[in-house]
Amino acid sequence: GENVEQHPSTLSVQEGDSAVIKCTYSDSASNYFPWYKQELGKRPQLIIDIRSNVGEKKDQRIAVTLNKTAKHFSLHITETQPEDSAVYFCATLSGGYQKVTFGTGTKLQVIP
Amino acid sequence: SQTIHQWPATLVQPVGSPLSLECTVEGTSNPNLYWYRQAAGRGLQLLFYSVGIGQISSEVPQNLSASRPQDRQFILSSKKLLLSDSGFYLCAWSVSVIETQYFGPGTRLLVL
Repeated sequence: GENVEQHPSTLSVQEGDSAVIKCTYSDSASNYFPWYKQELGKRPQLIIDIRSNVGEKKDQRIAVTLNKTAKHFSLHITETQPEDSAVYFCATLSGGYQKVTFGTGTKLQVIP
Repeated sequence: SQTIHQWPATLVQPVGSPLSLECTVEGTSNPNLYWYRQAAGRGLQLLFYSVGIGQISSEVPQNLSASRPQDRQFILSSKKLLLSDSGFYLCAWSVSVIETQYFGPGTRLLVL
């Protein structure tokens, strides 16, 4: 089955700096890559996603990049703010396996 | 628009007692439904998913079971809870198995 690795597991940045979280995957048939943000005690919420026919997607301060050849995708948060502090999960959806696989999560702390 | 409900929000149960958690989705027909468990500070573990009424797939063997008695209702049950069943239980839905999953508010279960 699909194997998704997410790094780093924890990340601390100063407010205003950028944060980058990277995920690698094993299934070349994966074709959809969402990112979720989970605040403490809350449900995971979709923040951005990308499909395999696109290399990059931006939404204000967040962006996702995808390298299908290398089988990795990354979440980029610029101008970080304290409210960005949360756990972020990447995921892959594979048409081959027809299921979603989540990464292990990254705890992001933005220090004011 | 679609909404997903879970109840109860929190639950404290003794070891060996039964469990029933309910999830319902509004605003869509024939959704794919999922049950996840999240231990404290950990990632998302897929427990069950369902592509239709009466169709349940189990991802992890355990003392839990799931049922889908109606199109938009998904129930997670146990006959005898274990201490290790404590966690945050999340229900999710999607249009299809390879589309975005949207999570419910979750049920926090503590087994004592």
